[in-house]
Amino acid sequence: AQSVTQPDIHITVSEGASLELRCNYSYGATPYLFWYVQSPGQGLQLLLKYFSGDTLVQGIKGFEAEFKRSQSSFNLRKPSVHWSDAAEYFCAVGPYGGATNKLIFGTGTLLAVQP
Amino acid sequence: NAGVTQTPKFQVLKTGQSMTLQCAQDMNHEYMSWYRQDPGMGLRLIHYSVGAGITDQGEVPNGYNVSRSTTEDFPLRLLSAAPSQTSVYFCASTDPGVEQFFGPGTRLTVL
Repeated sequence: AQSVTQPDIHITVSEGASLELRCNYSYGATPYLFWYVQSPGQGLQLLLKYFSGDTLVQGIKGFEAEFKRSQSSFNLRKPSVHWSDAAEYFCAVGPYGGATNKLIFGTGTLLAVQP
Repeated sequence: NAGVTQTPKFQVLKTGQSMTLQCAQDMNHEYMSWYRQDPGMGLRLIHYSVGAGITDQGEVPNGYNVSRSTTEDFPLRLLSAAPSQTSVYFCASTDPGVEQFFGPGTRLTVL
């Protein structure tokens, strides 16, 4: 079955500390991979995506993610967290070469940032 | 460019009532989708469309109807609302192979 697992429901980091949010997926074919961020009461904003090529992808707001096929993972990282990064983060997978309108989402990781 | 717009932002229904959640996009995308978001469950796909007149079911379609008469609009209908349909609903419009753009959401409560 196709699925996305985000094992950390809630993470708290100090401002300025590094961050890694984990994402593992189960997919029958080569996937497209995405990270979205959702601020309270808002819609989802795309942080970054991986389709092919370089397995380390850069996104907006200083985020990056690394695709590791052997581990079926697509972890999100940021070297120094800012208070404005407090939000919920969703990993998603979609069909390679497909329309990407049928994404499968993880359950999300809620990030809190301590001053 | 307004992107993806959804109305209403908030809605309270009584069990058994019907309503339509509106979604519109001005990006001329063929592909559109409806998701629901529930605590601890992420977003789950309800219905999607790959063009005017073409719709299909997603993961959780029961209790919802959709139609797509124009490229711009993709309304979601609840024919007889149930408390289990209390959720936040997101409409999305897709630039194929590029990105899915999400609307701001509709928060629905069914009493």
